[in-house]
Amino acid sequence: RKEVEQDPGPFNVPEGATVAFNCTYSNSASQSFFWYRQDCRKEPKLLMSVYSSGNEDGRFTAQLNRASQYISLLIRDSKLSDSATYLCVVNGMNSGYSTLTFGKGTMLLVSP
Amino acid sequence: DGGITQSPKYLFRKEGQNVTLSCEQNLNHDAMYWYRQDPGQGLRLIYYSQIVNDFQKGDIAEGYSVSREKKESFPLTVTSAQKNPTAFYLCASSIWGRPGTGELFFGEGSRLTVL
Repeated sequence: RKEVEQDPGPFNVPEGATVAFNCTYSNSASQSFFWYRQDCRKEPKLLMSVYSSGNEDGRFTAQLNRASQYISLLIRDSKLSDSATYLCVVNGMNSGYSTLTFGKGTMLLVSP
Repeated sequence: DGGITQSPKYLFRKEGQNVTLSCEQNLNHDAMYWYRQDPGQGLRLIYYSQIVNDFQKGDIAEGYSVSREKKESFPLTVTSAQKNPTAFYLCASSIWGRPGTGELFFGEGSRLTVL
C-alpha cells in the first residue's frame, strides 16, 4: 500500500457544484494531516489542517477517520478559482525523524 | 516581509555539470527541506535539516548534496551523478524543530532543465 494515496484526477465540475476528494494513508502512527493546494507551476500552499473532530473553513470541510486511515476534503459551491491540484499530506517517519509525505494530488477543474 | 527565496527560478544545465540551487529563509525556522516534483507526481523528499550543521537523507538523496552552515540557508547541489535531474525543485521550511508537526512554507521553486 502506498504511503499516501489519492483519487486519480482530474475532476471536472461546473461552478456551484460540491466535490469531494479522498485520501488514504498507510502509517497508522501518523499524527498530523493536511490538505495543500497547488496551482499550475507554482509552489504548494497550506489549505487547511485536518483535525480528529473534523473542521470547516468557509466552503471547505476536512474529515479524518483514524480507524480507516482515511482523510477527505469537501468543497461546496465550487468557484472557478478553486481550480488547482489538491495534495493530501501526512506525517511519517524517515530515519527516526518525522517528515511530511505528499500524495500525488488530485486536479480539480471548475468550469463556468 | 518574511519568506523563503529560491534562486534561480529557471536553470539550464548541460549533462555532466554540477549545479547549486539556493534557498534562503528569514522566518527563523529551524527545519528546512528540499523536495523534487516531476510532472504528475507527488513531492519527493531529497534532504532535510532540523538544525544547523545537521541534515538527513530523504527518500531520493542519491546524486544530491546539501549543507546547512547557517540557519537561514540550505543550498542544494545537483551533481552529475543524478541520472535524471530535470525537475521542479522546491525548498521549504517549518516552524518547529520536529518536521511533520507543522505547516511547511515553500519557496517559489527552481525549474531545472538538463540539455
